[in-house]
Order: sequence, then C-alpha cells, then structure tokens
Amino acid sequence: SQQGEEDPQALSIQEGENATMNCSYKTSINNLQWYRQNSGRGLVHLILIRSNEREKHSGRLRVTLDTSKKSSSLLITASRAADTASYFCATDGSLTGNQFYFGTGTSLTVIP
Amino acid sequence: GAGVSQSPSNKVTEKGKDVELRCDPISGHTALYWYRQSLGQGLEFLIYFQGNSAPDKSGLPSDRFSAERTGGSVSTLTIQRTQQEDSAVYLCASSFRQGAGLAVGNTIYFGEGSWLTVV
Repeated sequence: SQQGEEDPQALSIQEGENATMNCSYKTSINNLQWYRQNSGRGLVHLILIRSNEREKHSGRLRVTLDTSKKSSSLLITASRAADTASYFCATDGSLTGNQFYFGTGTSLTVIP
Repeated sequence: GAGVSQSPSNKVTEKGKDVELRCDPISGHTALYWYRQSLGQGLEFLIYFQGNSAPDKSGLPSDRFSAERTGGSVSTLTIQRTQQEDSAVYLCASSFRQGAGLAVGNTIYFGEGSWLTVV
C-alpha cells in the first residue's frame, strides 16, 4: 500500500505551543499534501509540497519533505484553539498519479 | 459551482435497501474521486474518474458498490443491498488534471460528505 501514515495518532498541546505532526509513505511520489478535517466533515487543503521541494511555508504552517526517508512533517506554530482538528497527509504516488493516498490522520487538540 | 456539492448530507437507511449518493464537482474539474471514512478512521479510496471513465475502480469494496459519472460532471455512487458495515461518511473530491502520467501536483477539493447510517 502507498498509504501515508501519520504520527502521532493524537496530540494534545497548550495554546501558543507548536505542534509537529509527521507523515511517512512507502513509494515515490509526485507531491505530498496536508489536509485538515473538522468533526468528520470535508477535508480542507492546507499546503502542497512537490517532490523536488524540501520546505514550504504558509502562514503559521511549515512543511518539510525528505524524499530519501519518505517522510514529511507539518509544523503549526503558535497554535490556537481553532487549530483543533484532524490532520491528514496525502500522497500522489502512483505511476499515473490518479490516486491520492491518505493516512489515518493525527488528531490535534489545542487546549485554551 | 463554487465548491464540491454532495447530497444527501445525511441518510439513514434500512439494511438491505439501495442508496444513491450524489456528487457535483467544481465546474471544469476533470477528475473526481470517491472516498469512504469510517468513524475515527482515515480515508479509504473507492474510485477515481477522469472525465466519464473510471481508470481505477480498485477501491470499491464489493460488487454491491458502483459509480458512474455522466457528462464529465455529476457522479453517483450506488450501494446496493446496504449492510451495517457500509455506515460511514462518503466523501467526494474533484481536481483539474491534465491526464495520466503527468506530475500535475493538483490540489483536490472535498465536499462536505454524505453521512450514511445503515440500521
């Protein structure tokens, strides 16, 4: 399976702290994306990093990609209670790029 | 449309009945995806459409599941003879893809999902 795996499964932090989530995958990829999901509803796209990129920033989000280790990390700085959600990584990894494989997600709780 | 639209948003059905779930993708998006998510679980890929054709049906869990897409737009996921284990949220997503084999790196946009409960 090319499915990504997020780590940790659950994370609880105080507001203002940084939150780091990791994602590992199994095969070569074209790109990796991070998504956020509130309360089991639709996923919202956060950031995309291509296989030839190593780091990308968007606001309080920082994503790194290490293709040699087949892993990515998502860092949320200065967390807020509103960041409480599940976070998923998705890889576009098949030869034809026709699927996006999602991991099982990290459930983040930010305590006010 | 402005976003991916799914209907119904919630559906309760009796075991053994058939259900149809509808997805209206973002206008102009050529690719459409169906995923299933059980409570507290990750997303399970079901099927992918490029235009009206489905090059990848590998995720459909059984022959009770089928999907079609017409006019390169609206898609319907049909579950026949529903079972309790079919209870989940069914998520549809769409993206603009230039075709297979290209590293297009496109973002996929999700609908809010259809919650299916089989009782």
